[in-house]
Amino acid sequence: SQQGEEDPQALSIQEGENATMNCSYKTSINNLQWYRQNSGRGLVHLILIRSNEREKHSGRLRVTLDTSKKSSSLLITASRAADTASYFCATDGGEGNKLVFGAGTILRVKS
Amino acid sequence: ETGVTQSPTHLIKTRGQQVTLRCSSQSGHNTVSWYQQALGQGPQFIFQYYREEENGRGNFPPRFSGLQFPNYSSELNVNALELDDSALYLCASSWGAPGELFFGEGSRLTVL
Repeated sequence: SQQGEEDPQALSIQEGENATMNCSYKTSINNLQWYRQNSGRGLVHLILIRSNEREKHSGRLRVTLDTSKKSSSLLITASRAADTASYFCATDGGEGNKLVFGAGTILRVKS
Repeated sequence: ETGVTQSPTHLIKTRGQQVTLRCSSQSGHNTVSWYQQALGQGPQFIFQYYREEENGRGNFPPRFSGLQFPNYSSELNVNALELDDSALYLCASSWGAPGELFFGEGSRLTVL
């Protein structure tokens, strides 16, 4: 079973627009991470936010975390065609030895 | 490039057969985790190895087993293959508990 749920399941935008993806989870966490996957290949780590952080930035990425609502959002600003991929949130479930992934959001950026 | 390599990249097996998938972790990483990703789904945790010992297991039957070697490379073995075992198998290495995971490109298994 998967703890996280991403919303929306799919998102299609024009190049230059911003893309926002949301993630909800069920249990307490130590941290939440976002990963990207191109066409069924390996996942690439994007950003990690700890449970005591509320917002974090990395380049064009902005992640927020609301532990009271058990939710997170990933914002990609000024999207590019190369951002087309699936994006997954993952939580450690408080256990520390495994990550639990959501089902992902498929992002398509049209040029 | 994450420095994590997996082999083979693709393979086809028939139901009832056995398969071994291999993973070389990134240099300096002592922890390897294996995930199964079915089509259209997120990765599901199979198990993790830390310094050659199993350190956590997901909801997978015993016919899924693994090994970690002294050089921290790892194997995933699946016996008595079933059609539902068709998936992308991902290996990820890390230093200790997650933490950022560094994934390989995966081994795509098709069971006929």
